[in-house]
Amino acid sequence: ETGVTQTPRHLVMGMTNKKSLKCEQHLGHNAMYWYKQSAKKPLELMFVYNFKEQTENNSVPSRFSPECPNSSHLFLHLHTLQPEDSALYLCASSQEVWGSTDTQYFGPGTRLTVL
Amino acid sequence: AQTVTQSQPEMSVQEAETVTLSCTYDTSESDYYLFWYKQPPSRQMILVIRQEAYKQQNATENRFSVNFQKAAKSFSLKISDSQLGDAAMYFCAYRSAVLPTGANSKLTFGKGITLSVRP
Repeated sequence: ETGVTQTPRHLVMGMTNKKSLKCEQHLGHNAMYWYKQSAKKPLELMFVYNFKEQTENNSVPSRFSPECPNSSHLFLHLHTLQPEDSALYLCASSQEVWGSTDTQYFGPGTRLTVL
Repeated sequence: AQTVTQSQPEMSVQEAETVTLSCTYDTSESDYYLFWYKQPPSRQMILVIRQEAYKQQNATENRFSVNFQKAAKSFSLKISDSQLGDAAMYFCAYRSAVLPTGANSKLTFGKGITLSVRP
């Protein structure tokens, strides 16, 4: 719909598992973002990448490891997660991080459940 | 730090009627951007409308308009002629326009409001 896709859409994992979330944008944008959306809480920014370089890490625990191999792809590697990490993880992209074209476009999200 | 408050967790509107969703924010900055995002049940967050704080004129996008009161730090969204497809969660968001060292792209979101539309 908006040019930002995420896979998988649903993921159930145990606390000892290692999994990865994938985001791909087809909009030619240079900036990509990971957000966490928990029930009853505002969206929380996790990471920002601009031209493949990480520009923000919003005090995210090291069990979340982002990777941005190019401007179109963003991954979130997960390992030894906790049940409280269960949430909807949203990816977004924008033409630039700052300026008149910094409007963020979101993907559909990955619903993560940690058992 | 900036905060965004959406005090109404839920609202309901009759189809074809008008509804206003409230949002207030707190900031010490004079230059910033405000957004309303819509998240339908399919979960894809969609930008509804954007307002630059330096602009006095309220932004409009078809049936969607805002009432931006800078002094009161209020940014409400009005949906006219409500349609069933407007049912969704609506988030108000703030972003600073002050560029510190390095780029600050952080969007600060409110908790959201769930809007239902009655046929």
